[in-house]
Amino acid sequence: GENVEQHPSTLSVQEGDSAVIKCTYSDSASNYFPWYKQELGKRPQLIIDIRSNVGEKKDQRIAVTLNKTAKHFSLHITETQPEDSAVYFCAARESGYSTLTFGKGTMLLVSP
Amino acid sequence: DVKVTQSSRYLVKRTGEKVFLECVQDMDHENMFWYRQDPGLGLRLIYFSYDVKMKEKGDIPEGYSVSREKKERFSLILESASTNQTSMYLCASSFRGPNNEQFFGPGTRLTVL
Repeated sequence: GENVEQHPSTLSVQEGDSAVIKCTYSDSASNYFPWYKQELGKRPQLIIDIRSNVGEKKDQRIAVTLNKTAKHFSLHITETQPEDSAVYFCAARESGYSTLTFGKGTMLLVSP
Repeated sequence: DVKVTQSSRYLVKRTGEKVFLECVQDMDHENMFWYRQDPGLGLRLIYFSYDVKMKEKGDIPEGYSVSREKKERFSLILESASTNQTSMYLCASSFRGPNNEQFFGPGTRLTVL
């Protein structure tokens, strides 16, 4: 089965800095890579996703990059704000399956 | 708006009790999932269902069972609760197709004493 590794487990940045969270996956058949954000006490919510036929996707201050050869993908947040503080989960879905395999999460703390 | 609801936000049970956690979604999603969330371990899949009465084991099914008698409802059952099942339980649902964003419920914090 799929295995997803996520780093770092915690990340502290100053407001306005950029933050990068990295994930690797094991199954080359995986073709869908979403990122979920979970604010304290709330449910995880999808913030951005990327499919294996695309190398990069942007949505305002967040972007995701995918390197299929190296089997890793990353979340980039620019101009971080305190409201970006949350736990971020990466995930991977194998082609033909409905289930996601999640990374262990990164706690991002943005200090004003 | 997609709405996924769970029967309880907080639940306290005793060791050996039978525990039912219920999840309801209102978007006609085919897929429904149960995860447990523990600090440092992320989201781990317990069971999922892709249709009524259909179920598949996830990564950590031991000690759990599920029931899906209606499309909108997915129940997680702890036959005999143990202290190591103290955790946050999250339900999710999605459409079956490739664009399968999972929508999560608010979670149930279960404590087994």
